[in-house]
Amino acid sequence: SQQGEEDPQALSIQEGENATMNCSYKTSINNLQWYRQNSGRGLVHLILIRSNEREKHSGRLRVTLDTSKKSSSLLITASRAADTASYFCATDLSSGNTPLVFGKGTRLSVIA
Amino acid sequence: DTGVSQDPRHKITKRGQNVTFRCDPISEHNRLYWYRQTLGQGPEFLTYFQNEAQLEKSRLLSDRFSAERPKGSFSTLEIQRTEQGDSAMYLCASSPRTFMNTEAFFGQGTRLTVV
Repeated sequence: SQQGEEDPQALSIQEGENATMNCSYKTSINNLQWYRQNSGRGLVHLILIRSNEREKHSGRLRVTLDTSKKSSSLLITASRAADTASYFCATDLSSGNTPLVFGKGTRLSVIA
Repeated sequence: DTGVSQDPRHKITKRGQNVTFRCDPISEHNRLYWYRQTLGQGPEFLTYFQNEAQLEKSRLLSDRFSAERPKGSFSTLEIQRTEQGDSAMYLCASSPRTFMNTEAFFGQGTRLTVV
């Protein structure tokens, strides 16, 4: 079963616009991570936010975490055509030695 | 170190044949994971190793699947008597799994097609 659920499933925007993706999860976490996947390739780690953090930035990426609502959001500012990819949230659970659990992803298309 | 590598990148096999995939993790990483991904879905956990010990197996991993990490370095995933439903991308990832950093580094995957 998948712990995280991303929303929306698909998003299409114009280059230069901001893209926001949301992730909801079910159980307590140590941290939450966002990954990017280009078509047919492996996943690339983007950013990790710990359970005691509320917001984190990395370049054009901004991640927020609300543990009371069990939700996170990924904001990509000033999007580029090269940002076209699938984005996944992954939760690292609090229960100890567990693997990362991925959601189904948001497919982002940035139109030039 | 060039990251996590997987071999082969693509495999086409006939139903009923056995296939074996290899994963070479980043050398200092003690955790190694196998995931399976089908089109339009997120990666689904199959199994993982802490050094050479296999710590957890998903219910997705039927008895036709077996994984090893004999010396705590590279790992192999074998599928026996392949079925069409096994067609998927098989992803390997490694992680240092320290308290402060549990980021996973993924390989490019092995795409299996069972015909």
